[in-house]
Amino acid sequence: AQRVTQPEKLLSVFKGAPVELKCNYSYSGSPELFWYVQYSRQRLQLLLRHISRESIKGFTADLNKGETSFHLKKPFAQEEDSAMYYCALSGTGNQFYFGTGTSLTVIP
Amino acid sequence: DAMVIQNPRYQVTQFGKPVTLSCSQTLNHNVMYWYQQKSSQAPKLLFHYYDKDFNNEADTPDNFQSRRPNTSFCFLDIRSPGLGDAAMYLCATSRTGAAHVYNEQFFGPGTRLTVL
Repeated sequence: AQRVTQPEKLLSVFKGAPVELKCNYSYSGSPELFWYVQYSRQRLQLLLRHISRESIKGFTADLNKGETSFHLKKPFAQEEDSAMYYCALSGTGNQFYFGTGTSLTVIP
Repeated sequence: DAMVIQNPRYQVTQFGKPVTLSCSQTLNHNVMYWYQQKSSQAPKLLFHYYDKDFNNEADTPDNFQSRRPNTSFCFLDIRSPGLGDAAMYLCATSRTGAAHVYNEQFFGPGTRLTVL
């Protein structure tokens, strides 16, 4: 069963425009949600996690349990934000599920 | 710096010839994961070790095996690689503790496997 869905494979926005990368999940119980990012030629790394409610590099994500969503948002996109973004879910037993990823391109 | 290291970064093998990929970590994390990532797809979890306990995903082919001789090292063995096994293989680690502790994963750079 698809546990993490990212509906957009590709997303392009202009520099300075707001950006939202969508993520929906399916999981019974209380999962932990993450956003991972992979910049060109770099390893996959954690961007932020829902449990800490932090803002990293201007990005925020709010867990909406009613809508089972964890969308990633940034009010003003920067060129350096261009990367591959993966939404991920952590379940019981140290299981980890990744979405299929969204490739974000910020146009100068 | 504490990190997750994967060797080699690029591996070429022949169809049916066994191959081993290695992962080491200096983070002293108790959980180690192996993922397979094919082009334009999400990383797919193959299995993970929780300390010495091996946890296989239900749909991981028998062709894939793993060993973890100690906390720092974990190996991925592909017994008879097929053309469909060509992919990037990612190793990751995490630390688990109390139930409220999030299990963030730290990834290695990956090994790109080519099967000829």
